[in-house]
Amino acid sequence: DGGITQSPKYLFRKEGQNVTLSCEQNLNHDAMYWYRQDPGQGLRLIYYSQIVNDFQKGDIAEGYSVSREKKESFPLTVTSAQKNPTAFYLCASSMGQGGLFQPQHFGDGTRLSIL
Amino acid sequence: SQQGEEDPQALSIQEGENATMNCSYKTSINNLQWYRQNSGRGLVHLILIRSNEREKHSGRLRVTLDTSKKSSSLLITASRAADTASYFCATGYSGGGADGLTFGKGTHLIIQP
Repeated sequence: DGGITQSPKYLFRKEGQNVTLSCEQNLNHDAMYWYRQDPGQGLRLIYYSQIVNDFQKGDIAEGYSVSREKKESFPLTVTSAQKNPTAFYLCASSMGQGGLFQPQHFGDGTRLSIL
Repeated sequence: SQQGEEDPQALSIQEGENATMNCSYKTSINNLQWYRQNSGRGLVHLILIRSNEREKHSGRLRVTLDTSKKSSSLLITASRAADTASYFCATGYSGGGADGLTFGKGTHLIIQP
C-alpha cells in the first residue's frame, strides 16, 4: 500500500533542544510539503520541495530546517530558535512539480510538545 | 496568509440529513480543493474543482464554485456518523510565493446518530 509515513506519532522536546520529524513516502511523488496545524486552525506551510536537493520556504519557515537528499524522504528539524513549537505537524506529497493542480496526500502527523 | 475561510465554524445535524459547508476566498484561483480530517489524523483529499468548472460530484459529495462571488460550497447528502470530521477548503493559485495550497480554518461537522 502506497502512502506517507510520519514518525514518531508523539514527540517531546526540552527547552533548547533540536528535534527531527521523519517523513517518508512511497508514492513516487516529486513534491513534498511540511505544514503546521495549531488547535482550531488551518494548516500553515513551513517548507516545500519540488525536487530532490531543492526546497523553498513557506509562510512560517523561521525556526525550522529541512533537507531533501532522497525523493522518498523530507525530514523536518524543529530548532531551538522556534519559540513556540508545540503543534501538530503534517507532511504531504503530490505528483509532479508542485501541488497547484494536484491533490495532496497526507501522513497522519506528529504531535510535538514541550516538556 | 490564509485565503480560504469556511463557514460555519461548527455544524451539528442528525444522521440522514444533508450538510452544507461554505468557503470564501480572496484572490483569483486555479483550483479549489476540499479535504476531510478525522480527529488526530492527517487530511484526506475529497474533491478538486477547477476555476472553469461550476459543479462537481463524487458519490454523496457535491461541490459548487462561483468565481464571481469567490465562494464554494460542499454538500454532503444523506449524512452518516462516519462523516463526523473537520472539513477544509484549500485554494491553489499561481503567482503566489509558495507552491502549496492555502487552507482555511475548517468546519467541524458532527453527525448525531
